[in-house]
Amino acid sequence: NAGVMQNPRHLVRRRGQEARLRCSPMKGHSHVYWYRQLPEEGLKFMVYLQKENIIDESGMPKERFSAEFPKEGPSILRIQQVVRGDSAAYFCASSSTGNNQPQHFGDGTRLSIL
Amino acid sequence: AQSVAQPEDQVNVAEGNPLTVKCTYSVSGNPYLFWYVQYPNRGLQFLLKYITGDNLVKGSYGFEAEFNKSQTSFHLKKPSALVSDSALYFCAVVDTGNQFYFGTGTSLTVIP
Repeated sequence: NAGVMQNPRHLVRRRGQEARLRCSPMKGHSHVYWYRQLPEEGLKFMVYLQKENIIDESGMPKERFSAEFPKEGPSILRIQQVVRGDSAAYFCASSSTGNNQPQHFGDGTRLSIL
Repeated sequence: AQSVAQPEDQVNVAEGNPLTVKCTYSVSGNPYLFWYVQYPNRGLQFLLKYITGDNLVKGSYGFEAEFNKSQTSFHLKKPSALVSDSALYFCAVVDTGNQFYFGTGTSLTVIP
């Protein structure tokens, strides 16, 4: 499968724990985007990264959330000290050039906070 | 600021009838518009895009969308709906920084 791969598909954490969500972009894609989807809401942009660089993090909460896209390996969205309100589906997308090209989405990670 | 609006949360249509899912946009500059579909427990799948050129854009699965600059609309259409078209549909606009702005989605139900 050459598509965008996200893992885990489902993640359960207790309040106060850390959540790590991983995303491997499509082969040849160097632009990665993270979105959050809540029930009855659309997708909310969180962060846009290229290899080793954060391009736009205007949608990221100021605290507890961070993202990286290292030179080697997947992109990671990290949520520290999770709270109930962090429960959502988190989607990763990738694109090739970033110049108005379609974004290709993974199937998401559904995060549940107990 | 860029934004899109999907005025209908839910659209119901009988199988075989034409369907329309509405989207209006607000952009500064030239609009780059997209439609995506989401099936349950899946990510979004690209359907079609408008960058420039013909106002009628054809996409995957028989869908098409009409760009109307005067009405700032980009409605998604299909001549004959299938039950398998039942899903959540998202309109999106892209700004110059390549950030996508998605609408809140429209749930389409095709009734057999």
